[in-house]
Amino acid sequence: DSGVTQTPKHLITATGQRVTLRCSPRSGDLSVYWYQQSLDQGLQFLIQYYNGEERAKGNILERFSAQQFPDLHSELNLSSLELGDSALYFCASSRTQGATNEKLFFGSGTQLSVL
Amino acid sequence: GENVEQHPSTLSVQEGDSAVIKCTYSDSASNYFPWYKQELGKRPQLIIDIRSNVGEKKDQRIAVTLNKTAKHFSLHITETQPEDSAVYFCAVYNYGQNFVFGPGTRLSVLP
Repeated sequence: DSGVTQTPKHLITATGQRVTLRCSPRSGDLSVYWYQQSLDQGLQFLIQYYNGEERAKGNILERFSAQQFPDLHSELNLSSLELGDSALYFCASSRTQGATNEKLFFGSGTQLSVL
Repeated sequence: GENVEQHPSTLSVQEGDSAVIKCTYSDSASNYFPWYKQELGKRPQLIIDIRSNVGEKKDQRIAVTLNKTAKHFSLHITETQPEDSAVYFCAVYNYGQNFVFGPGTRLSVLP
């Protein structure tokens, strides 16, 4: 167990709908990252938050948004869902930025199926 | 920005043989290099990592070597077993920046 908690594990929804994925980082970790992994593909970086602030953006669609709350948990909101958004969404956390002992740990992921 | 290449994309070895996966990166300021193993439908798991002040690190059957001058690092798995079959991702990190992942290598260990 990595200590990073993601809910829900599975999500089935229809096109055009909106969903929220939740992530709780490891205790003491301030940075949260979101990744999208389509079938048999690599890890596509979406966005990173550090202590509540957005720090880096990857190839995140405008229909997607995220935030990190004061208790450091994060939510990824996906709206106007399309079939192509079906993927495994991972959250990962790390202790801080700029630290010399930085390590990245992944949650178990949320499998999103858009029908 | 940082660019990470990973080779080969697929690798098949006989059980008991060794496997080597190589990653190259572009930013000479990068200083932390982890490797992740991902089994089907599971989360990527950190299996070994190396920092820029070290040339080699071992943990039982796995090892990582780093050549900072040439900007490449490699994962070595010896005495491979069927349970080593998975997708392996390398990553590169620069303090204060972001983790950049390679595209992955699918390793199959044939019994």
